[in-house]
Amino acid sequence: GEDVEQSLFLSVREGDSSVINCTYTDSSSTYLYWYKQEPGAGLQLLTYIFSNMDMKQDQRLTVLLNKKDKHLSLRIADTQTGDSAIYFCAASYNFNKFYFGSGTKLNVKP
Amino acid sequence: EAGVAQSPRYKIIEKRQSVAFWCNPISGHATLYWYQQILGQGPKLLIQFQNNGVVDDSQLPKDRFSAERLKGVDSTLKIQPAKLEDSAVYLCASKQGVSTDTQYFGPGTRLTVL
Repeated sequence: GEDVEQSLFLSVREGDSSVINCTYTDSSSTYLYWYKQEPGAGLQLLTYIFSNMDMKQDQRLTVLLNKKDKHLSLRIADTQTGDSAIYFCAASYNFNKFYFGSGTKLNVKP
Repeated sequence: EAGVAQSPRYKIIEKRQSVAFWCNPISGHATLYWYQQILGQGPKLLIQFQNNGVVDDSQLPKDRFSAERLKGVDSTLKIQPAKLEDSAVYLCASKQGVSTDTQYFGPGTRLTVL
């Protein structure tokens, strides 16, 4: 099956940009996702990118995909304290069978 | 639109006991997932339903876990008997259909096995 890896922690100051990185192993994964999980809550889909795209931008969020290196990143511009949460990278083949990374805990300091 | 509902939110049991979790997906959502999220890890898929049929249960420990979605709407996940390593948050998610992109997650049930 797919193996998705992420770094565990990231700490930034409010107003800075955050970059969360992810690697995956299965080149047949067609969709790559970023989810956000706040304490005591389920996961919320932030954005996703199709594997034939290099970049996707959605307001403060920018997703970069390097398919050759199987590397995905999420950049959050102008990070706010409300962005503090755990961010999960996930991969799927045609919207089915999702494989999640272990999550990156983002801490935003005021 | 109401979200995915799960109950109970918390459950504490002793090992070897049985436990059941309930999930009510968003109305009209044909696809339903159960995930296990162990502390410090990402969600791991246990079972996927399409209406009342099982699409994928390859990672479900079938000797102790069972799940059903009899009428293609709400679903129950059961563990019998529970082990210490079953302590986790059990997440239910639903989406409209097989070919749609967005899964909507419930708040989860936190299970502690003593």
